[in-house]
Parts: sequence; C-alpha cells; structure tokens
Amino acid sequence: AQSVTQLGSHVSVSEGALVLLRCNYSSSVPPYLFWYVQYPNQGLQLLLKYTSAATLVKGINGFEAEFKKSETSFHLTKPSAHMSDAAEYFCAVSENSGNTPLVFGKGTRLSVIA
Amino acid sequence: DAGVIQSPRHEVTEMGQEVTLRCKPISGHNSLFWYRQTMMRGLELLIYFNNNVPIDDSGMPEDRFSAKMPNASFSTLKIQPSEPRDSAVYFCASSTRGRGGELFFGEGSRLTVL
Repeated sequence: AQSVTQLGSHVSVSEGALVLLRCNYSSSVPPYLFWYVQYPNQGLQLLLKYTSAATLVKGINGFEAEFKKSETSFHLTKPSAHMSDAAEYFCAVSENSGNTPLVFGKGTRLSVIA
Repeated sequence: DAGVIQSPRHEVTEMGQEVTLRCKPISGHNSLFWYRQTMMRGLELLIYFNNNVPIDDSGMPEDRFSAKMPNASFSTLKIQPSEPRDSAVYFCASSTRGRGGELFFGEGSRLTVL
C-alpha cells in the first residue's frame, strides 16, 4: 500500500532563507508524486508533480522538488523564502500511473519570520 | 474557468441534525473525490466516483455518512445524524482520470456540530 511521511509538522525559516520540506514515500510500483499548498481557509493547490519524467521538477512560486528513488524521497525546496510562502504544504502519492486516488501526508506548516 | 464549487462554505448545526454538503466538479472531469480534513487525522479520503459510479467508499467512517453523484455535474455528501466528532473541513476534488492523478480542490465546507 502506498503511503507518505512528512518529517516535521512545523518548519520555521527566516525570510530569504532556504526552505526544505521533507517527504518520504512508500509505493510498490513507480509512483506519481505531488506537492500541494494550502493557504488559510482555502482548498489545496498544486505546486508541482512528478510523473516519471525528469527527476527534478520545477513548480510555481519558485519551488522545486527532486525525486530520489534510492532514498524514496521527494523533498520540496525553495532557495529564498518569502513571507507569502507561509502556508500548509502536503506531499501526496499515487500509484498505477496516477489512476489511484492520491494519498496525502499529514502536512507541514511553514512559518516565515521577517 | 470555474473551479470546483462547494456549498455551504460554513455550516453550524446541532448534534442529531442532518447535514448535506454539495459539490459541483469542473466540467469535463470524470472523477470526483470527497476528503475530510481534521487536525488529528489530516486529509482522509472518504469516497470517490469515476463516471458518477462510486468506486471506493472504504473511507466513509460510518453508516451515518452517505454520498451520491446523480450526474456528472453534482455530488452530495450527507451525514445523518450528525455528531460533534464529525466537525471538520470537507473537501471535494475532481480530476480527469488517468491524467497523472492531479486533483483540483474546492475551497471546502467547514462543518461544526455542536
């Protein structure tokens, strides 16, 4: 069965600092992997996705993630945090070429300190 | 283009009352998902439909929960009778099955059961 583990329920960074949000997955077949962002009182929005093409995936708002099969990881990074990046971030996995429903991690709340 | 539309955005009701949450998916999407979000359990998949047919309802917590999709443009999630532990944010999402699993979320219905 597929699953996702997000390390750290809360991450705090200074404005301008590197953002690193960790995600490890478990899947019996090559997975599709996703990062979503949720701003307060809103639904989830897709940041980026990996679907077996390039292992380094670039998303919106300057975020990117690298698929590392050997480490079963899909960590999300951004070189320089902005105040507007403060939100909840969810990693998700889907098997069977994306034909199975997404399974989400528990989320990581990112705080950005001025 | 209109996104996924959910109603009501907020609902406050008393224990024992019936609650009906509504969802209009994005036109052309043939898969629809209901998720529940709580602090304790994160995002949980309750049920999903492909082409209006329920595929997996194993996430529905109890018989008090039911979901229907009478046509491609409308779905309901009903709780009868409601209990305080049902208080959560309920999200509807839609997708084009087989397109990498990307979900498009509505803004959610925040349910408070007193």
